[in-house]
Amino acid sequence: AQSVSQHNHHVILSEAASLELGCNYSYGGTVNLFWYVQYPGQHLQLLLKYFSGDPLVKGIKGFEAEFIKSKFSFNLRKPSVQWSDTAEYFCAVNSLNSGGYQKVTFGTGTKLQVIP
Amino acid sequence: NAGVTQTPKFQVLKTGQSMTLQCAQDMNHNSMYWYRQDPGMGLRLIYYSASEGTTDKGEVPNGYNVSRLNKREFSLRLESAAPSQTSVYFCATVQRPQGSYEQYFGPGTRLTVT
Repeated sequence: AQSVSQHNHHVILSEAASLELGCNYSYGGTVNLFWYVQYPGQHLQLLLKYFSGDPLVKGIKGFEAEFIKSKFSFNLRKPSVQWSDTAEYFCAVNSLNSGGYQKVTFGTGTKLQVIP
Repeated sequence: NAGVTQTPKFQVLKTGQSMTLQCAQDMNHNSMYWYRQDPGMGLRLIYYSASEGTTDKGEVPNGYNVSRLNKREFSLRLESAAPSQTSVYFCATVQRPQGSYEQYFGPGTRLTVT
């Protein structure tokens, strides 16, 4: 079965610190990988996605993620966080079943708190 | 272009009451989804509709029913609400098979069942 693990449930950083949030998935086939962000009181928005090609993908607001196939990982990084990055971050993986349905599995989320 | 809209934004129900959560999209996407979000559990899929006229159960369908009224609208019904259904409900859409497969989310409905 497809699953996603986010190891850090709550991360507290000072502004300008570097960020790395872990995401590991389990699925034997071809997957697409996503990071979504949910700012307080808002809905989920796409940060970045990986489909194929360069395993280092860049998203909005200075975020990037690296797909390491051998480790089944898709960690999110940002060199220098800002207070406005305070949010909850969700890793997600999708795969297509035989009927063409996109099965999406979300991780449990990581709450990031950035202290000014 | 409103994207994905949901109504209502907030709702309080008593145990046993029924209600329907509405979702509409103006992006001409084929697939629509209903999720619930609970603290520490991420998003869990309740039901999905791969295309107009089809619906299927997701991970946590018990206590819910859905209707894909047309390509734009996908409603979620609670026939007899229970406190365990207190949650935030999100509707999402995907353009498939073409498109990037990213999900577009609505603003959510915060439901409390007392």
